[in-house]
Amino acid sequence: ETGVTQTPRHLVMGMTNKKSLKCEQHLGHNAMYWYKQSAKKPLELMFVYSLEERVENNSVPSRFSPECPNSSHLFLHLHTLQPEDSALYLCASSPMFHTSYNEQFFGPGTRLTVL
Amino acid sequence: TQLLEQSPQFLSIQEGENLTVYCNSSSVFSSLQWYRQEPGEGPVLLVTVVTGGEVKKLKRLTFQFGDARKDSSLHITAAQPGDTGLYLCADTGNQFYFGTGTSLTVIP
Repeated sequence: ETGVTQTPRHLVMGMTNKKSLKCEQHLGHNAMYWYKQSAKKPLELMFVYSLEERVENNSVPSRFSPECPNSSHLFLHLHTLQPEDSALYLCASSPMFHTSYNEQFFGPGTRLTVL
Repeated sequence: TQLLEQSPQFLSIQEGENLTVYCNSSSVFSSLQWYRQEPGEGPVLLVTVVTGGEVKKLKRLTFQFGDARKDSSLHITAAQPGDTGLYLCADTGNQFYFGTGTSLTVIP
């Protein structure tokens, strides 16, 4: 138990569906992250929020839309996804953003399958 | 974009054997972290190394940071089935860059 929870753990959706992934951290951290983990590829950083402001957006397609309503919650809204978007989506948090030696605490991930 | 190469990509060994996995960067690390990811879970931090030539030990795990801070190794002594997982290295600079990982299976 890392103090970061994600729901749902598994999600199957069609290309025309709209769904949302939820992440919650109970650690009092100020930075939260979304990563995509695909087979045979490195973890890809998608978005970073620091103190509820988006500070990084790594050229992610607009069909992925993040939302950070407060420092404890992070959402990833999904719409009109493609089969190649199937992957494990990991949420992480850290005490601060943009500092060295920062430890990231990861949730267990949401396994997403797009049909 | 920084490239982190990890080798080997896959490793399957018997319980009790020793092993070493490697992480090499195309540029100097800001600082380097090793994570372990068990099946069905997210990565968990094992260690952070900062200084070139640094060696850290965590029970049966020994982490070494290269003098030039462009490479690192993780050595496991007397591997156990509980060591099974994906081992990831990461550069913790302005952005976190992760390597592709080494998938380790320890057979009882």
